[in-house]
Amino acid sequence: DTGVSQNPRHKITKRGQNVTFRCDPISEHNRLYWYRQTLGQGPEFLTYFQNEAQLEKSRLLSDRFSAERPKGSFSTLEIQRTEQGDSAMYLCASSSDGLYQETQYFGPGTRLLVL
Amino acid sequence: AQSVTQLDSHVSVSEGTPVLLRCNYSSSYSPSLFWYVQHPNKGLQLLLKYTSAATLVKGINGFEAEFKKSETSFHLTKPSAHMSDAAEYFCVVSGYGQNFVFGPGTRLSVLP
Repeated sequence: DTGVSQNPRHKITKRGQNVTFRCDPISEHNRLYWYRQTLGQGPEFLTYFQNEAQLEKSRLLSDRFSAERPKGSFSTLEIQRTEQGDSAMYLCASSSDGLYQETQYFGPGTRLLVL
Repeated sequence: AQSVTQLDSHVSVSEGTPVLLRCNYSSSYSPSLFWYVQHPNKGLQLLLKYTSAATLVKGINGFEAEFKKSETSFHLTKPSAHMSDAAEYFCVVSGYGQNFVFGPGTRLSVLP
């Protein structure tokens, strides 16, 4: 399977704990995006990488959130001191560069539940 | 700034009848527009996209959408609904180099 993969698929944690999610994009894609989707809503943009450079961060991404893409391949999203409001589906997407806004291909997501 | 309005949060149709899911957008740029579908417990799948070429865009599974600049609309249609079309549908607007802005989604129910 050469699509976008995310691990873990599900995570249950207690409030105050740290969690880390991993995203493996489609191998030839140099752009990688993180989104958050809460129940009944559309995905909301969190952050975006072009190769290893983090080029944009949403105001939704508080200081407790950090994302990395150290070698321009896989990416990690860490949430420190989780809160119940962090419970959501975290989606990763990747795309190539192009003349137009390229299609983003989405992974299956990591569903986080903070107790 | 860009935004998307999906005028119906829920649409219910009978199998074999036409589907219309409405989307209006706001964009400061010449937008790219997408429709994605999300089946329960599955990832988002691209249905179709518009990137300033033909205004009538054909996608997968018999879906199509028409870009109307004067109406700032990008409605999704299908001539005949199938049970497997039941899912959540998201309209997305983006400009070149910009991030995707998703609409709130429309849940499509297909009745036998």
